[in-house]
Amino acid sequence: QVQLVESGGGVVQPGGSLRLSCSASGFTFSSYGMHWVRQAPGKGLEWVAFIQYDGSNKYYADSVKGRFTISRDNSKNTLYLQMNSLRAEDTAVYYCAKERTPVTTPYYFDYWGQGTLVTVSS
Amino acid sequence: DIQMTQSPSSLSASVGDRVTITCRASQGISNSLAWYQQKPGKAPKLLLYAASRLESGVPSRFSGSGSGTDYTLTISSLQPEDFATYYCQQYYTTPPLTFGGGTKVEIK
Repeated sequence: QVQLVESGGGVVQPGGSLRLSCSASGFTFSSYGMHWVRQAPGKGLEWVAFIQYDGSNKYYADSVKGRFTISRDNSKNTLYLQMNSLRAEDTAVYYCAKERTPVTTPYYFDYWGQGTLVTVSS
Repeated sequence: DIQMTQSPSSLSASVGDRVTITCRASQGISNSLAWYQQKPGKAPKLLLYAASRLESGVPSRFSGSGSGTDYTLTISSLQPEDFATYYCQQYYTTPPLTFGGGTKVEIK
C-alpha cells in the first residue's frame, strides 16, 4: 500500500531555514510527480510546490517562490522541501502528496502523508 | 489564478440527510475539479475527480456534478463518518492548484 511519511518539521526563528523530507513506499516513486501542500492552523489547504517525476520541472506557489526549493532523490524514494527565509505566515502542517496520474503537470492528489508541523516563531 | 469559492462555509445536518456543497470557480474549469474530505487531525482524502468520477473505495453516496464554473458535491444520505470538512480543488489552469475555502459539515 502507498505510504508517505514526512519528517523534519519543528520550531524555527523567522529568517531561518528548515528541510522537510517525505519518504515514499508502495508505488513506483520515480514515475509520479509529487507535491507539497500546507495547512495553517485552523485554516484551509494551500498548494505549495510540485516536482515532475524526474525532477526536470518544478512549480511553486507565488507565496514561496524564491524561498522554497522542492527536490527529489528517486534512488532513495524521497521528496524534499528546502525552506529558507521563513516567515511567521509559513507556520503550517506540511503534507507531501502523490500526483494522481503519471503526468508532467500538476493535477490533483490521491495519497497524502500524515503531515509535519512547521512553526516559525521567535 | 483561478479563485475557488465554496458555500456554505459550514452546515449542520442530521444522519440520513441529503447534503449539497457548492464550489464556484472564477472562470470556467471544464470539469477539472477534485473533491477531498478531511477529518480533524488527519490528511485530506480524495473523494472525486474530473468533477464526477468517484475515487476507488469511496462510497457511492458521494457524487459530484456541474459544468463551467459551478460544481456540487452531494452526499445522498449522511452517515456518522461523513462529518468532516470538504474541499474542492481546480486543476484546469496550473500552476497554481487552488482550493476552495472548505465546508465544515457538523452534526445537528
